[in-house]
Amino acid sequence: EVQLVESGGGLVQPGRSLRLSCAASGFTFDDYAMHWVRQGPGKGLEWVSGISRNRGSIGYADSVKGRFTISRDNAKNSLYLQMDSLRAEDTALYYCAKGLGSGYYSPFDYWGQGTLVTVSS
Amino acid sequence: DIQMTQSPSSLSASVGDRVTITCRASQGISNYLAWYQQKPGKVPKLLIYAASTLQSGVPSRFSGSGSGTDFTLTISSLQPEDVATYYCQKYNSPLLPFGGGTKVEIK
Repeated sequence: EVQLVESGGGLVQPGRSLRLSCAASGFTFDDYAMHWVRQGPGKGLEWVSGISRNRGSIGYADSVKGRFTISRDNAKNSLYLQMDSLRAEDTALYYCAKGLGSGYYSPFDYWGQGTLVTVSS
Repeated sequence: DIQMTQSPSSLSASVGDRVTITCRASQGISNYLAWYQQKPGKVPKLLIYAASTLQSGVPSRFSGSGSGTDFTLTISSLQPEDVATYYCQKYNSPLLPFGGGTKVEIK
């Protein structure tokens, strides 16, 4: 059974940093691209960042480019999101999602339950 | 960057009605288009990919069509369990944005 478990969320002050993790199991992690998607309170889905299985393709939404860094450790079956210079508008539930196919350009077939990030003073 | 625009933003229909949701890309994306369903308080679920391919386990009353810039998600006979917000997403480039969502309610 595919499982994606996010962790690392919490309350943080504006301008500070936070690192999210996603522990994956139930599939061959290094065969798939992985992504982060967020959802602000009462808002829609916003794709944040993605990384291909071999890190050859990486993308960021304009809203986080230069502040967030995605990475993965295939040996640990883990995905990460380093979030720096956090802003109030980054407050959201952050989901980890798995690509359906082996390529980067693939929709998301499994999602974690999310980890909540609140940016507030 | 390619923008994804959904319409309507919300709709209300009766059980058994045919429901159609539209997604428009600001540039052509071939058929690199997916649809998701998110029920209240739940995690999003992949319904359709490649514009018209039904994900395993998804009821056949859901269907997708379109190519290029204009896409459609159709629910042939709306059921109470279909109350949800539906999102389109393009995935043909390093940025994979979602549309703004369409909230579907029962009249």
